[in-house]
Amino acid sequence: NAGVTQTPKFQVLKTGQSMTLQCAQDMNHEYMSWYRQDPGMGLRLIHYSVGAGITDQGEVPNGYNVSRSTTEDFPLRLLSAAPSQTSVYFCASSFTGVNTEAFFGQGTRLTVV
Amino acid sequence: DAKTTQPNSMESNEEEPVHLPCNHSTISGTDYIHWYRQLPSQGPEYVIHGLTSNVNNRMASLAIAEDRKSSTLILHRATLRDAAVYYCILRDLTSGTYKYIFGTGTRLKVLA
Repeated sequence: NAGVTQTPKFQVLKTGQSMTLQCAQDMNHEYMSWYRQDPGMGLRLIHYSVGAGITDQGEVPNGYNVSRSTTEDFPLRLLSAAPSQTSVYFCASSFTGVNTEAFFGQGTRLTVV
Repeated sequence: DAKTTQPNSMESNEEEPVHLPCNHSTISGTDYIHWYRQLPSQGPEYVIHGLTSNVNNRMASLAIAEDRKSSTLILHRATLRDAAVYYCILRDLTSGTYKYIFGTGTRLKVLA
């Protein structure tokens, strides 16, 4: 049972480069989301999805794109990386029912130089 | 989205109970109270959640005030492995968005 898998674990980008952070879950969860966590801060919601083909913006969506073509995968795209996007990124998934818990990946540590 | 307020940090001695408070004075009737914790260099993990009644599981207990404007996460016997940041989150499951909005949490330090 893999749970929520994020790849890569570490990444260094140059300013202006693009990349995709991958997130996959094997629990058939409808809800998936992306967060960023800056040093000493809590998690801030970037984008989320309540099912395949449905996405919406969170608190800090600028500079990021998402799509949800399958239930299992929810990639996060940085179109033109900026130093302000240096952070740790977490993906989470859960069912959308009443008594649910969210499962988080181990994170991707991204540095933009 | 309703907000929560937690102390920035708390300390506890090992093997003693820990009570982590959370204020949520603007909670609505459909907000569930969730607690997560984040161990160093890891993603958050679920601890417990509840709506109105107190809840117990193998990890902790959740005590919810009668007016639901505050709650307390209780770790019955703190261990060094419980040192983490604990987040209290309100989740409105009728809004259709199912969002978790994190605050800054309480950093728990457990003293040997």
